[in-house]
Amino acid sequence: EVQLVESGGGLVQPGGSLRLSCVASGFILSDHYMDWVRQAPGRGLEWVGRTKDKIDSYTTEYAAAVKGRFTISRDASKNSLYLQMNSLKTEDTAVYYCTRVNVRDLEYYMDVWGKGTTVTVSS
Amino acid sequence: DIQMTQSPSAMSASVGDRVTITCRASQDISSYLVWFQQKPGKAPKRLIYLSSTLQTGVPSRFSGSGSGTEFTLTISSLQPEDFATYYCLRHNSYPLTFGGGTKVEIK
Repeated sequence: EVQLVESGGGLVQPGGSLRLSCVASGFILSDHYMDWVRQAPGRGLEWVGRTKDKIDSYTTEYAAAVKGRFTISRDASKNSLYLQMNSLKTEDTAVYYCTRVNVRDLEYYMDVWGKGTTVTVSS
Repeated sequence: DIQMTQSPSAMSASVGDRVTITCRASQDISSYLVWFQQKPGKAPKRLIYLSSTLQTGVPSRFSGSGSGTEFTLTISSLQPEDFATYYCLRHNSYPLTFGGGTKVEIK
């Protein structure tokens, strides 16, 4: 079964750091782009960033709101994706989702999502 | 950045109603548009990709249309399980942007 499972969320103070993980099963992570998407409480969906696939050298793209503070990486040996979040702000409070993206076959574009992990930034 | 304006932001409808949700892009995005359904406390579920291609397993009462700057999601006959929030997403360039969402509530 194709599945994504996020973890690592929690309560952190403003200015702090947190690393989220997303473990994939049922498919090879390095064959796909992978995105992070977040949703603040009571708000809509917001794209956070992307790591491209092996063919595109795993390069990354970020939303302006997180560029310079968040870093997306992956570990092929663990079939896992990560989101390192530094200099956290209260407005980063959200549920964070990882999702599979395939730009070469759009049938697999954001077709699988994890259940999300909650990040709360508060003093 | 290319903005996506989704309307209406909320609506009340009855079972059996035909529902239409619109997303307008501030620039031409070709057909690079996806529609999602989200229920409270759940992850988004993809309904349609490439503007009009139905995700396998999604009921045929859902349909999408449009290209360029104007896109439509139509539910031909609303069912009880369709009460949810719907989002469009454009992905022709970075940064990707979602529409603001349409909450479909029971009348």
